[in-house]
Amino acid sequence: ETGVTQTPRHLVMGMTNKKSLKCEQHLGHNAMYWYKQSAKKPLELMFVYNFKEQTENNSVPSRFSPECPNSSHLFLHLHTLQPEDSALYLCASSQVGLWAEQFFGPGTRLTVL
Amino acid sequence: GQQVMQIPQYQHVQEGEDFTTYCNSSTTLSNIQWYKQRPGGHPVFLIQLVKSGEVKKQKRLTFQFGEAKKNSSLHITATQTTDVGTYFCAGPANSNSGYALNFGKGTSLLVTP
Repeated sequence: ETGVTQTPRHLVMGMTNKKSLKCEQHLGHNAMYWYKQSAKKPLELMFVYNFKEQTENNSVPSRFSPECPNSSHLFLHLHTLQPEDSALYLCASSQVGLWAEQFFGPGTRLTVL
Repeated sequence: GQQVMQIPQYQHVQEGEDFTTYCNSSTTLSNIQWYKQRPGGHPVFLIQLVKSGEVKKQKRLTFQFGEAKKNSSLHITATQTTDVGTYFCAGPANSNSGYALNFGKGTSLLVTP
């Protein structure tokens, strides 16, 4: 499946590094999402974007900074992360609407040393 | 948001046995979605239920939505090793966006031949 792509697939970074995760969807959707998946909280919603506007920030620490330049691209900028931020970061997209199914990308496996 | 609780957390069956996972909410859900995540993969949409008492089938999978729209179940008949993975239910998140999802913690299914 290539509808939603994410890069990089794996990332190891130190606590003082700055890195960015990229997500791109080729499905013509207008809503995009970032999720964090860890053993403790399997699918934790972080941010929601609707037509490039952020409509949801689920109390995410400011060391995570999302950016949505257009409806097809979504970034997650990372800086001064903590080891507990190590997780799988999943991007998803959907049509805008109450009954819309979400399409997930393969995820970025992040390890913070 | 409308939290959804899922049980059991883990299930280990012999191939050919049946499997059921349950999803419960304290509030009425307008709809519920089910996703499957294979080991090392990403969540993939299976189905959406909308109507009270709705039952839908996909080959060996049977999905039900309770009459009160507060619970749902996924039943797999005669499991196969290809059924291995984590099954998530998701309900609407009562969010600003209006269409974000709250995922249950998932049921991880292991099938041994």
